[in-house]
Amino acid sequence: AQKVTQAQTEISVVEKEDVTLDCVYETRDTTYYLFWYKQPPSGELVFLIRRNSFDEQNEISGRYSWNFQKSTSSFNFTITASQVVDSAVYFCALSEAGSQGNLIFGKGTKLSVKP
Amino acid sequence: EADIYQTPRYLVIGTGKKITLECSQTMGHDKMYWYQQDPGMELHLIHYSYGVNSTEKGDLSSESTVSRIRTEHFPLTLESARPSHTSQYLCASSRRAGLGTDTQYFGPGTRLTVL
Repeated sequence: AQKVTQAQTEISVVEKEDVTLDCVYETRDTTYYLFWYKQPPSGELVFLIRRNSFDEQNEISGRYSWNFQKSTSSFNFTITASQVVDSAVYFCALSEAGSQGNLIFGKGTKLSVKP
Repeated sequence: EADIYQTPRYLVIGTGKKITLECSQTMGHDKMYWYQQDPGMELHLIHYSYGVNSTEKGDLSSESTVSRIRTEHFPLTLESARPSHTSQYLCASSRRAGLGTDTQYFGPGTRLTVL
């Protein structure tokens, strides 16, 4: 069965600290896709990144970076030098190739960045 | 950048009222989705559609109904609202209806409160 676990319910950091949000997934498929979304207080989900299971290369986009490790079934997200605007709920999600595109979301991690 | 719209953004109504939450996208996406998000943040898929005249129930049983008469429009209706329906409702769309996974893009959400 497919499952996404975000063990950290809430994280609080001070501005400029680095923070890592953990995501562990379970799937029996060899082809699958992993996503991260950001939900700011305004409520919409903002797409951040999509990776497929054949691409284990880590990705960096500005202050954001993602570490995909199939050996540990993890897809962790790191924010470097956090800012107050990073305060949001972050969701990790999984989709298997045969699932017709439906996503399984983790329960989310609420990140609070204090000035 | 996704162009997906939801109206109203906020709605407060009394018990027993019939309501329709609107969702439209201008990207020509085949697949559309409705999620319900409880106050604990967890996202639940309640309906989805592969295209015109297609509707499917999601993972979470819902008393709401949906229709897909036009590609760009996917309204959700509650025939008789109850306080248990109080939640945030998020609409999403993605490009492909077939096998594989394309990225889901989300609307801004509707926060529904039933008194």
